[in-house]
Amino acid sequence: NAGVTQTPKFRVLKTGQSMTLLCAQDMNHEYMYWYRQDPGMGLRLIHYSVGEGTTAKGEVPDGYNVSRLKKQNFLLGLESAAPSQTSVYFCASSYIIDEQYFGPGTRLTVT
Amino acid sequence: GQQLNQSPQSMFIQEGEDVSMNCTSSSIFNTWLWYKQEPGEGPVLLIALYKAGELTSNGRLTAQFGITRKDSFLNISASIPSDVGIYFCAGRQADKLIFGTGTRLQVFP
Repeated sequence: NAGVTQTPKFRVLKTGQSMTLLCAQDMNHEYMYWYRQDPGMGLRLIHYSVGEGTTAKGEVPDGYNVSRLKKQNFLLGLESAAPSQTSVYFCASSYIIDEQYFGPGTRLTVT
Repeated sequence: GQQLNQSPQSMFIQEGEDVSMNCTSSSIFNTWLWYKQEPGEGPVLLIALYKAGELTSNGRLTAQFGITRKDSFLNISASIPSDVGIYFCAGRQADKLIFGTGTRLQVFP
């Protein structure tokens, strides 16, 4: 039982490059979330999903896209990376909204 | 976007001391939560509060749901080195959580 896993753990991108972050959970959770964490800003919700095939915008969705084609996976895409997207990205999943299980994070640097 | 304000931003305390931190919002929440993030890891749920005025404990941790429903408090008694981390409050808004800015706790032996 791996819980929530994130791939990759670290990545460095050049401005304008694209990439996809993968989140996988093996707990059969309906809800999945993508957050970014910046110093002094706490955790801010980017996009989330309330079930397979659904997605919704969070607080800071601009510059990101997501897909939830399979219940266990939630993908976060950056089409054209910008230095402002340098951050630590966390994925979470939950059975009930209150108790979210977080992955270990992906540290992304955009130069 | 809406964020919850936590204070203090950081605390440096000696092992054995008690700790208090709080979280305030301009909006009402019907659910308040406290998460802890240890270095290099994702946050983990500590305590959930569902009723205004509610006081809930989890070991040495005690949290309270403010009666105005716009704030919450977390106390840690007799701190130990493994209490080190960032403590986040969160309020539930429909099908998502709004997280606070975090309180960073350092404990010195």
